Amino acid sequence: DAMVIQNPRYQVTQFGKPVTLSCSQTLNHNVMYWYQQKSSQAPKLLFHYYDKDFNNEADTPDNFQSRRPNTSFCFLDIRSPGLGDAAMYLCATSRTLDTEAFFGQGTRLTVV
Amino acid sequence: AQTVTQSQPEMSVQEAETVTLSCTYDTSESDYYLFWYKQPPSRQMILVIRQEAYKQQNATENRFSVNFQKAAKSFSLKISDSQLGDAAMYFCAYRSATYNQGGKLIFGQGTELSVKP
Repeated sequence: DAMVIQNPRYQVTQFGKPVTLSCSQTLNHNVMYWYQQKSSQAPKLLFHYYDKDFNNEADTPDNFQSRRPNTSFCFLDIRSPGLGDAAMYLCATSRTLDTEAFFGQGTRLTVV
Repeated sequence: AQTVTQSQPEMSVQEAETVTLSCTYDTSESDYYLFWYKQPPSRQMILVIRQEAYKQQNATENRFSVNFQKAAKSFSLKISDSQLGDAAMYFCAYRSATYNQGGKLIFGQGTELSVKP
């Protein structure tokens, strides 16, 4: 059974049109992460939530925001997608900050 | 800042043979964790093996083992008796043991492993 579920698996959006990616978890983990993985590059952490506390990485562009309305769900909002934002977006969860991370299958975002 | 480098973009192995994937990292910290993750095509990334830096003994999980050389900052993955299901992208990753680093994983660029029948 999938424990970290990302929807949709594939998303096509227009240049400049806001888009939201979704992640849900059945593990009841405290921490949820969003990573960006561009083609042939290493996944890179954008931000994470510990419960309701939001923690942004210093080099995450302002164009990227996140919401966590409850323990189970976390959203990645891209306010004005550019061509350079095309990537695989990975959601991960962990029970605490020092325990194993579990990943979803990712959402591949295409910007046209 | 910590970095992770995987110098082999692609590797190939014959079924039932052994293959070693390389990883080097750079850090000024003395306490940290190292991981190998497997990402099969269109499937989620899963943890293969983990190593605590304070442990001298190399981690082993069934057919998977690591060669952890702390002084050399090297962390290679050996896959024995390779199976078709081992074909995937493999990522080496670093995580600080400092709690306020937020559980952040720093990944290498990955090694695409193919297994030939």
